[in-house]
Amino acid sequence: KNQVEQSPQSLIILEGKNCTLQCNYTVSPFSNLRWYKQDTGRGPVSLTIMTFSENTKSNGRYTATLDADTKQSSLHITASQLSDSASYICVVSDRGSTLGRLYFGRGTQLTVWP
Amino acid sequence: EADIYQTPRYLVIGTGKKITLECSQTMGHDKMYWYQQDPGMELHLIHYSYGVNSTEKGDLSSESTVSRIRTEHFPLTLESARPSHTSQYLCAAVGAANTGELFFGEGSRLTVL
Repeated sequence: KNQVEQSPQSLIILEGKNCTLQCNYTVSPFSNLRWYKQDTGRGPVSLTIMTFSENTKSNGRYTATLDADTKQSSLHITASQLSDSASYICVVSDRGSTLGRLYFGRGTQLTVWP
Repeated sequence: EADIYQTPRYLVIGTGKKITLECSQTMGHDKMYWYQQDPGMELHLIHYSYGVNSTEKGDLSSESTVSRIRTEHFPLTLESARPSHTSQYLCAAVGAANTGELFFGEGSRLTVL
């Protein structure tokens, strides 16, 4: 069964600290993996998209890694800010079509305290 | 980018009412989607469209219906709302074809009393 599992379910850190969110998947075949940020009451916003051949991709203070062999991805947030408080969703696409079918994780709820 | 506009953002209605959630996009993209999201749960695909007059049901069974008469609009309708329909509804569209990136609207939070 194709699945996307995220950990931890929730995380609280102090402003300025770093953190790493995990995503493990069993989706096969694999096309790409995306990380989205979703503020409370808003729609998800894309942070990164990684294909099979990419190991690392950065977007400002966000750095995503992908190990396609172990089917694991991580999202590292550096020097956290209060505005980083949000749900971070991992989404994996298979190669069924141009877009591929999307498999969503349940998200990690990050809270940054001052 | 594909700017996605959803209205209303919030809606509280009584059981049995008919409601339509509007979704529009400004970039003329063919592929559009409706997702349902409950707190702490993953997004579930309920409807999608690959172009005008093309609509399909998604993975999650839903009593809602959709239409795609124009490329820009992809409204979702509930003929008779029930408390079990209370949820967040997210509309999305695919951006540039070569990336397949999915852009979401801000969502419509529906509460049925």
